[in-house]
Amino acid sequence: GQSLEQPSEVTAVEGAIVQINCTYQTSGFYGLSWYQQHDGGAPTFLSYNALDGLEETGRFSSFLSRSDSYGYLLLQELQMKDSASYFCAGLLTGGGNKLTFGTGTQLKVEL
Amino acid sequence: DVKVTQSSRYLVKRTGEKVFLECVQDMDHENMFWYRQDPGLGLRLIYFSYDVKMKEKGDIPEGYSVSREKKERFSLILESASTNQTSMYLCASSLQTGGGRVRPQHFGDGTRLSIL
Repeated sequence: GQSLEQPSEVTAVEGAIVQINCTYQTSGFYGLSWYQQHDGGAPTFLSYNALDGLEETGRFSSFLSRSDSYGYLLLQELQMKDSASYFCAGLLTGGGNKLTFGTGTQLKVEL
Repeated sequence: DVKVTQSSRYLVKRTGEKVFLECVQDMDHENMFWYRQDPGLGLRLIYFSYDVKMKEKGDIPEGYSVSREKKERFSLILESASTNQTSMYLCASSLQTGGGRVRPQHFGDGTRLSIL
């Protein structure tokens, strides 16, 4: 089967840098996406890595290593509003823009 | 901005009832998805549709069916609701893609369904 594992919870202080890891066990992914979900809200798209390496979008960066079946989301200059759940999601081969989501990481940003 | 609207934010039904969850998107997206979200399990795909009247099973289709009679509307049906279907249900839509390119999926706010 296809599975993507993430730590269930990460805590960090405002202004710090935090890394949220995602390890997966499948060969059937084109690439890795990241979504953010605030409590009670809808998941929203953050980033996508089609190729190995680092993609940077403002304070957020995402990394993918296919050889290691591993990716991460890096959040810099943490703000209180970054407290949310973060999901990695593998884009499945076979078309249709279908995703398999990871288990999710709840990030708590403290003062 | 893409808007995905789910008909109910909260819903309470009884076991054995037939339950309909409705989802409408306003951006002419080809793809529509139904997920359920449970703590510690992430989002799991129930059904997917890539065109009107077309559907594919996702990872957990048992106990569910779907209907897509119009491009903008995708309905999830619980044929005979059971307590283990108590969950948050999320609808999403996206443009069609291919060749490893991704299109962001746009989600509704979800329906929290309780089966008593």
